[in-house]
Amino acid sequence: DAGVIQSPRHEVTEMGQEVTLRCKPISGHNSLFWYRQTMMRGLELLIYFNNNVPIDDSGMPEDRFSAKMPNASFSTLKIQPSEPRDSAVYFCASSFYGTSRNEQFFGPGTRLTVL
Amino acid sequence: QQQVKQSPQSLIVQKGGISIINCAYENTAFDYFPWYQQFPGKGPALLIAIRPDVSEKKEGRFTISFNKSAKQFSLHIMDSQPGDSATYFCAAYQVGGNDMRFGAGTRLTVKP
Repeated sequence: DAGVIQSPRHEVTEMGQEVTLRCKPISGHNSLFWYRQTMMRGLELLIYFNNNVPIDDSGMPEDRFSAKMPNASFSTLKIQPSEPRDSAVYFCASSFYGTSRNEQFFGPGTRLTVL
Repeated sequence: QQQVKQSPQSLIVQKGGISIINCAYENTAFDYFPWYQQFPGKGPALLIAIRPDVSEKKEGRFTISFNKSAKQFSLHIMDSQPGDSATYFCAAYQVGGNDMRFGAGTRLTVKP
């Protein structure tokens, strides 16, 4: 298995632009998580899905952020409009919900820079 | 959102020494405690995990010690190597739930 796939790996954009981050979870996994990592705040859970349904989006910082999971093999995290303070590494992770171990497998991350 | 407190923020250890990272949690419903290891430019990866029905789990040079009454757990890295230099995250969640809470991370540097 290729693991969790994220694209792009790096994104540089200007303030006010729309940014879309993409994630392909591991085949067979039914839970998907979006995290943001910064030096100041560490690893923050933004939102997670079970069986393509958003379960908890309380970590989404504000209305500029939105996430979708139209099917079991694809999810997007969109920021519109982007701001410099959104600069961070965004990770997608997937797991198989329902086992006792419930290990989360992380993708390589997307490094976002908003100028 | 911070339900798991991790210390120290950074740690420098000599090669061959013991690295110790501590975590404390608040929610007594948590019943699974993993440690993740993250190398620069990579996503975190599961290193070792423990359930609260045991007080210690060892895998190679890595050991988790768990104190349920104190709501604390720690990672010990024996014979630390330069290749262990990474950021380590403790985490906690409730089996049956899906919302894993991570500590703030510890940046470990092992000097040769």
